[in-house]
Amino acid sequence: KQEVTQIPAALSVPEGENLVLNCSFTDSAIYNLQWFRQDPGKGLTSLLLIQSSQREQTSGRLNASLDKSSGRSTLYIAASQPGDSATYLCAVKKTSYDKVIFGPGTSLSVIP
Amino acid sequence: EAQVTQNPRYLITVTGKKLTVTCSQNMNHEYMSWYRQDPGLGLRQIYYSMNVEVTDKGDVPEGYKVSRKEKRNFPLILESPSPNQTSLYFCASSSYRGRETQYFGPGTRLLVL
Repeated sequence: KQEVTQIPAALSVPEGENLVLNCSFTDSAIYNLQWFRQDPGKGLTSLLLIQSSQREQTSGRLNASLDKSSGRSTLYIAASQPGDSATYLCAVKKTSYDKVIFGPGTSLSVIP
Repeated sequence: EAQVTQNPRYLITVTGKKLTVTCSQNMNHEYMSWYRQDPGLGLRQIYYSMNVEVTDKGDVPEGYKVSRKEKRNFPLILESPSPNQTSLYFCASSSYRGRETQYFGPGTRLLVL
């Protein structure tokens, strides 16, 4: 059974720092991995999606990498801003027609 | 505007009173799903639908029913709600065409007394 974990559970950094969020999964046979952002009491917003054949995806200050063999993905946030404060979740899918498994999330606080 | 809508956004009900939470998307997506989010347990998939008339169980399907009679709609039915179904519910959709990015609705906060 696929299990997804995220470390750390919470992170507090000063504004301007570069930071890395980690996502690990136990079954390397995934179809894709997606990173989301969730603001308190709100829905999820997709940040980046990496297909199983890809190694990384970039969008602005965000870069996500995928290493299927080790069961790991990292989300790199450059030059963090207070507006980046949110919970970040990763999710994996085994096939296109399969269920989605979410990690527990990392709560990020960027201090001005 | 491309979006996933859910109704109602907030609902207070009593144990045993049947209720339906609606979900609709206007992006012609094939894949739709329902999640519940609970403190300490994270986001868990309840049911998902690969296309019209095709549904399957997620990780926590007990106490829920779904149907997919039209491509745009995927209602979640609680036939006899219980207090342990108090939660924040999200609907999401994605398309097999392209990158299959999931788009989420705004959420429905349910309290069962």
